[in-house]
Amino acid sequence: AQSVTQLGSHVSVSEGALVLLRCNYSSSVPPYLFWYVQYPNQGLQLLLKYTSAATLVKGINGFEAEFKKSETSFHLTKPSAHMSDAAEYFCAVSDPGNQAGTALIFGKGTTLSVSS
Amino acid sequence: DAGITQSPRHKVTETGTPVTLRCHQTENHRYMYWYRQDPGHGLRLIHYSYGVKDTDKGEVSDGYSVSRSKTEDFLLTLESATSSQTSVYFCAIGLAGSGQVRYEQYFGPGTRLTVT
Repeated sequence: AQSVTQLGSHVSVSEGALVLLRCNYSSSVPPYLFWYVQYPNQGLQLLLKYTSAATLVKGINGFEAEFKKSETSFHLTKPSAHMSDAAEYFCAVSDPGNQAGTALIFGKGTTLSVSS
Repeated sequence: DAGITQSPRHKVTETGTPVTLRCHQTENHRYMYWYRQDPGHGLRLIHYSYGVKDTDKGEVSDGYSVSRSKTEDFLLTLESATSSQTSVYFCAIGLAGSGQVRYEQYFGPGTRLTVT
């Protein structure tokens, strides 16, 4: 079965610093991968997705992620953090081996704090 | 905006009472999902639907049932609510991809349920 591991339940950065949120997946078949962001008391918003096209994926709000098959990783980065980036971030994987109605399998989330 | 609404947005109920949560979509998507979100667990799939009257169980389906009599509505019912079902419930729609693979999902705003 697929699983997703997000390293670090809480990451703190200063405004303007690099943001790096880590995600590793377990699968013998390259899955589809997603990053979602959740602001307090809101639903999840799709940041970006990898669906076997380019390995470097650009998303909204200046975020990007790189799919590395050899490392089974899909880490999320942003060159310069902004206060408005403070939120919880979820990595998710779609299991291509599942039947109709494939659900997403989520990591446990990483809370990003940004200080001024 | 994927046109997903959830009702109610907040509910407090007593142990042993039945509760029904509603998810409504306006864009005629075939795939719909119910997840629950709990601290430290990320999102976990409860049930999903791949068409009218076509539903299946997810990872944490015990104590929950679903129904889908119309494309636009997906109902989640807690037959007899327990305190362990206190959670935030999210509905999602899935965009169909080619073959067996499903692409990203879009989430509703969530329902916060408290069982006392």
